Amino acid sequence: EDQVTQSPEALRLQEGESSSLNCSYTVSGLRGLFWYRQDPGKGPEFLFTLYSAGEEKEKERLKATLTKKESFLHITAPKPEDSATYLCAVRAMEYGNKLVFGAGTILRVKS
Amino acid sequence: NAGVMQNPRHLVRRRGQEARLRCSPVKGHSHVYWYRQLPEEGLKFMVYLQKENIIDESGMPKERFSAEFPKEGPSILRIQQVVRGDSAAYFCASSAVGVSATNEKLFFGSGTQLSVL
Repeated sequence: EDQVTQSPEALRLQEGESSSLNCSYTVSGLRGLFWYRQDPGKGPEFLFTLYSAGEEKEKERLKATLTKKESFLHITAPKPEDSATYLCAVRAMEYGNKLVFGAGTILRVKS
Repeated sequence: NAGVMQNPRHLVRRRGQEARLRCSPVKGHSHVYWYRQLPEEGLKFMVYLQKENIIDESGMPKERFSAEFPKEGPSILRIQQVVRGDSAAYFCASSAVGVSATNEKLFFGSGTQLSVL
């Protein structure tokens, strides 16, 4: 069965309070791990793709890292506009053409 | 520079009616994907199409659901004889390259919210 698990389900932060979101997966033939941001009533917006353990990518206050079994999305000094649902998705040999998504982490940043 | 366009944004149907959801991919993209999102659940893959061809429909129910991506015009997801359980947000995504490319990036539309009464 497809297994992409995100934690926590929801996270409340004060503005400036850094934290991390987790995405764990159980596939053996990883071909890519994707992070997306989704705002209410909108489609997912692409953030990062990671392909191999040890890889890191950064964009503004966000930094994504990858190990063999999980990925972290680090948010440094978040602002209220970072509030959104963050989705991770996995493409793997055993999933064929599917991009398998986790259920997401709902982030709320209060000023 | 339009992104993925989906219409309608909201669609209300009574049980037994047909629903047609349209998706125009990013200009120049030949790969289209349909995903369904149920409340409190993640996005679930339905079908992958490349111009005029269905590549993978393993996530789509075998009955009542069909998808096409003609040579000209938008991709269409068609649901016949809708039931209450079909109520969900349906998202379309497109990419310029296929799933095996290392620079693959999916662009999503804003979705169609289908409500079945």
